[in-house]
Amino acid sequence: DGGITQSPKYLFRKEGQNVTLSCEQNLNHDAMYWYRQDPGQGLRLIYYSQIVNDFQKGDIAEGYSVSREKKESFPLTVTSAQKNPTAFYLCASSIHLFGTGSSYEQYFGPGTRLTVT
Amino acid sequence: SQKIEQNSEALNIQEGKTATLTCNYTNYSPAYLQWYRQDPGRGPVFLLLIRENEKEKRKERLKVTFDTTLKQSLFHITASQPADSATYLCARGRASGGSYIPTFGRGTSLIVHP
Repeated sequence: DGGITQSPKYLFRKEGQNVTLSCEQNLNHDAMYWYRQDPGQGLRLIYYSQIVNDFQKGDIAEGYSVSREKKESFPLTVTSAQKNPTAFYLCASSIHLFGTGSSYEQYFGPGTRLTVT
Repeated sequence: SQKIEQNSEALNIQEGKTATLTCNYTNYSPAYLQWYRQDPGRGPVFLLLIRENEKEKRKERLKVTFDTTLKQSLFHITASQPADSATYLCARGRASGGSYIPTFGRGTSLIVHP
């Protein structure tokens, strides 16, 4: 079965702790993305990666970090510097990054709900 | 800025009717728009893509239109069913720092009553 997996589904952390969210895909996609979704809000882009060992900040990268050492994996670390980390985090992938002349559908994982107290 | 705007109010309709959701965009016309469905607590699922030069696209009970004059896309679900109840998201590509990245609207919640 091809797809994107995220783990864990629910995650609880104490304030001040860093936490890493896992995202793995076996679709052989080049591009991967991390989004954050708050209640009643749309998806906000945190980081994205076009290829291995390369990634770019999205609209709300402050307090987050990523790595892309393997094509299949794009973990997200929520650091203690993130002021409001409690949210629903979604990982996605597409064959390539959006282009000016082409569009690629995104495949989303099931999400990780992070609660920080 | 290149934004996507969707009606934040939920759309309530009766089963069997046609649901129509709106996606408005700002600035220049995107080359394409995508529509996704999201169920509570789950990741979005891709439904349809429509290109700028396509006025209409259909897939089973779904129809999407693209009006570059109004800067708007309409998403229709005909013969709606309670199982169609979900949040529907619209997305466009947006130029950013030499890349072209996806940007989503807030989504519109559709509730189909039996």
